Amino acid sequence: DADVTQTPRNRITKTGKRIMLECSQTKGHDRMYWYRQDPGLGLRLIYYSFDVKDINKGEISDGYSVSRQAQAKFSLSLESAIPNQTALYFCATTRGGLAGTGELFFGEGSRLTVL
Amino acid sequence: AQTVTQSQPEMSVQEAETVTLSCTYDTSENNYYLFWYKQPPSRQMILVIRQEAYKQQNATENRFSVNFQKAAKSFSLKISDSQLGDTAMYFCAFLNYNQGGKLIFGQGTELSVKP
Repeated sequence: DADVTQTPRNRITKTGKRIMLECSQTKGHDRMYWYRQDPGLGLRLIYYSFDVKDINKGEISDGYSVSRQAQAKFSLSLESAIPNQTALYFCATTRGGLAGTGELFFGEGSRLTVL
Repeated sequence: AQTVTQSQPEMSVQEAETVTLSCTYDTSENNYYLFWYKQPPSRQMILVIRQEAYKQQNATENRFSVNFQKAAKSFSLKISDSQLGDTAMYFCAFLNYNQGGKLIFGQGTELSVKP
C-alpha cells in the first residue's frame, strides 16, 4: 500500500458542485501539503499544515478550503468548483523539525476536471 | 519571495548520452535546500537528488549529479548514460526551512530520451 494515499484518483464534475479530495498517510509525518499542478506552471502550493491545529494558506488558496481531521488525514475542498480549477492535485507529507530532511513524499495525484 | 526558474520547457537526448537540465533560483537566504524531482508518465513524483546549500560538494546519485553554483544561484541536473526510463518531467525545487518549510517548484522541463 502507498504511504500517501489520495482519493479519488480521477474525478469529473460540473461547475458549481462541491468536491472533496482526501489524503491520508502512514508515514507518521507531521507536515502535510496540497499542491496543484498545471502545464507550464509547475506545482503551486494551495494550503499546508504543520499539525492538526496549524493550517496555513499557500500562494493560491482562493476558492479552496482544507481540514486536518487527524495527523494522518488532510482533505482539500472546492466549495463551488469552476472550470479553471481543472488540474492535477497532489498531497504531500514531510517530517518537520531537526529530524526533517525537507524531502516531500507525494501521493499519486488526483486528476480533477470541472466542466 | 523565493522563485525558481526552469528555462527549458522541453529537451531531448539520445539514449546513452548525457544531458543537463538548468535551474536558477532567487533568494536572499543563506541556508536552504534544493531538490530535483522526476515525474514519469505515471504522474508519481519521485525525488531524484537533494542538495543542502551549506555543502560545497555537489550531490551525486548514481547517474544523476548536480552542479550547484551558490553565488550564481544555479542548480543544474546532469543525467549521464541516459536511459529510456529517464523520460519524464523534471522539476527543480527550493526549500527555505526557516520560512515555513514550503517547497517552491520551477515550471518543469519535459525530457524525452530517444532510442
